[in-house]
Amino acid sequence: DVKVTQSSRYLVKRTGEKVFLECVQDMDHENMFWYRQDPGLGLRLIYFSYDVKMKEKGDIPEGYSVSREKKERFSLILESASTNQTSMYLCASSLIGRGSTDTQYFGPGTRLTVL
Amino acid sequence: GQNIDQPTEMTATEGAIVQINCTYQTSGFNGLFWYQQHAGEAPTFLSYNVLDGLEEKGRFSSFLSRSKGYSYLLLKELQMKDSASYLCAIPRKDSSYKLIFGSGTRLLVRP
Repeated sequence: DVKVTQSSRYLVKRTGEKVFLECVQDMDHENMFWYRQDPGLGLRLIYFSYDVKMKEKGDIPEGYSVSREKKERFSLILESASTNQTSMYLCASSLIGRGSTDTQYFGPGTRLTVL
Repeated sequence: GQNIDQPTEMTATEGAIVQINCTYQTSGFNGLFWYQQHAGEAPTFLSYNVLDGLEEKGRFSSFLSRSKGYSYLLLKELQMKDSASYLCAIPRKDSSYKLIFGSGTRLLVRP
């Protein structure tokens, strides 16, 4: 079974703090993703990485950066947290391939509150 | 462009059958995914359809009609634990690795 883990289930930070969210997958997947999920807005892609040190912006990258130094680990960084970044953050991974191998497997999520 | 529509909420009774619909607009179809997401938890993969027709997997079945841009998830013998959101997703045109998700259908199963 694919296992994707995230460093925290719940996190509370103050406005202006630098926040690190970590994600680790154990299935040697090439692709890793960061999403945020807000009521009524669904899952929105923040950043995507297809290989070590490679990244692509998603739909809402503003205010975020990412790091992928090792294949199994993908970090999301909020340089200066703001209240509008309060959300559920979900990490996912998938193989490079076509069809059903595009299936994304999700971590348990981090509920971040910025005060 | 690409777009996915799902009903926001549905209610059904324990033991019954419910059909959750998903309509999509895309070019260059590359399959459709269904995910289940319990409140406060991560989405988990349910099914993948790339050819027309019905695919059955236990109590859950998923149907696809590519010509109509339509899919549904059929849940039989509903159980209370099936209360969850059901997300429909399709690969993006610019990169099939990335998925576009619908907003999800929240299903409430009543006793």
